[in-house]
Amino acid sequence: NAGVTQTPKFQVLKTGQSMTLQCAQDMNHNSMYWYRQDPGMGLRLIYYSASEGTTDKGEVPNGYNVSRLNKREFSLRLESAAPSQTSVYFCASSLYDAMDTEAFFGQGTRLTVV
Amino acid sequence: KQEVTQIPAALSVPEGENLVLNCSFTDSAIYNLQWFRQDPGKGLTSLLLIQSSQREQTSGRLNASLDKSSGRSTLYIAASQPGDSATYLCAVGGYTGTASKLTFGTGTRLQVTL
Repeated sequence: NAGVTQTPKFQVLKTGQSMTLQCAQDMNHNSMYWYRQDPGMGLRLIYYSASEGTTDKGEVPNGYNVSRLNKREFSLRLESAAPSQTSVYFCASSLYDAMDTEAFFGQGTRLTVV
Repeated sequence: KQEVTQIPAALSVPEGENLVLNCSFTDSAIYNLQWFRQDPGKGLTSLLLIQSSQREQTSGRLNASLDKSSGRSTLYIAASQPGDSATYLCAVGGYTGTASKLTFGTGTRLQVTL
């Protein structure tokens, strides 16, 4: 019962470095999402993929890019990390884009940019 | 723009007490409302999903209600236990532009004491 798996769990980057956060789901879900969670601000949507082959910007997309590699995998890339991107990142998936079904979340990636 | 508020931000109750967590939202045009649980350093676990046409959902000691017209939802926890200690998040699903998204509140941190 893997569900949604994120790697890595922890990462420290220097300002200007790049990295890719990986996410994979094994529930045959169509839609996948990347959120960031910051103290006092709740979870905010960065990017989402309604179905394989499509991606769209969410609420806070600046500084990020995504790739929906296949139906299972959705990666988030930081091209040039900034301290403002220090956060906990969550990947989520749901059966359909309309969110009519339950959303499942990964365990998160705690990223610190120094 | 949808805004979701959860009050109180933190709550401490003795074991065995029944309690209510509150969630309010500003735009009543929602698809659904979900309640999640988040343990420290962990991901989100879905507790209950209420579709916009429903009034309530129950799972074990948990009961969630939805009043779309007033923009409110409550999560009722019966006979609280120390294992219920966690942060509880509500999220509303709504349509924005080309697809739907979840908008999260900032959560209520619950501590159940012995």
